[in-house]
Amino acid sequence: AQSVTQPDIHITVSEGASLELRCNYSYGATPYLFWYVQSPGQGLQLLLKYFSGDTLVQGIKGFEAEFKRSQSSFNLRKPSVHWSDAAEYFCAVGAKGYSTLTFGKGTMLLVSP
Amino acid sequence: DADVTQTPRNRITKTGKRIMLECSQTKGHDRMYWYRQDPGLGLRLIYYSFDVKDINKGEISDGYSVSRQAQAKFSLSLESAIPNQTALYFCATSDVDSYEQYFGPGTRLTVT
Repeated sequence: AQSVTQPDIHITVSEGASLELRCNYSYGATPYLFWYVQSPGQGLQLLLKYFSGDTLVQGIKGFEAEFKRSQSSFNLRKPSVHWSDAAEYFCAVGAKGYSTLTFGKGTMLLVSP
Repeated sequence: DADVTQTPRNRITKTGKRIMLECSQTKGHDRMYWYRQDPGLGLRLIYYSFDVKDINKGEISDGYSVSRQAQAKFSLSLESAIPNQTALYFCATSDVDSYEQYFGPGTRLTVT
């Protein structure tokens, strides 16, 4: 069965420090990978996606993610975190032949001054 | 105007009541989804629809039903609400053959 794991429930990062949020997946097919962000009281907004090609993808708000097939990972990174990045982040996976996405349980990012 | 809208945004109801959550979209997408979000559990799929005549159960459909009234409208009903259906509910849409989903702002439902 397909599964998505976000190992960190909460992460606290100082403003200006770098960030990496982890996502591991288990899929029987070549995955389509997504990162979404949910700000308090808001719906989910797509940060970036990977379907094929270059394994390092750039997204909005200065985020990037790297697909590593050998590690079944799609980790989200940002070189310098801003206070406005405090939110919950969800990794999601789909694949050709599967009808829907599978979401991870989310990682809550807290940004300290 | 938002591409995916949900009404109501907040609702408090009592155990045993029937309630309907509505979703409308102006994106022209054929595919629509209903999720619920609970703290620590992420998003779980309740139902999805790939066109007006195609309705499919998701991971947690028990206690819920849906209606796809038109391409742009997809409603979620709780026939007899119970307290453990208290959650944040999201509607989402996607285009055919695209896995990218677009989310509404959510409906916070409380069942007392």
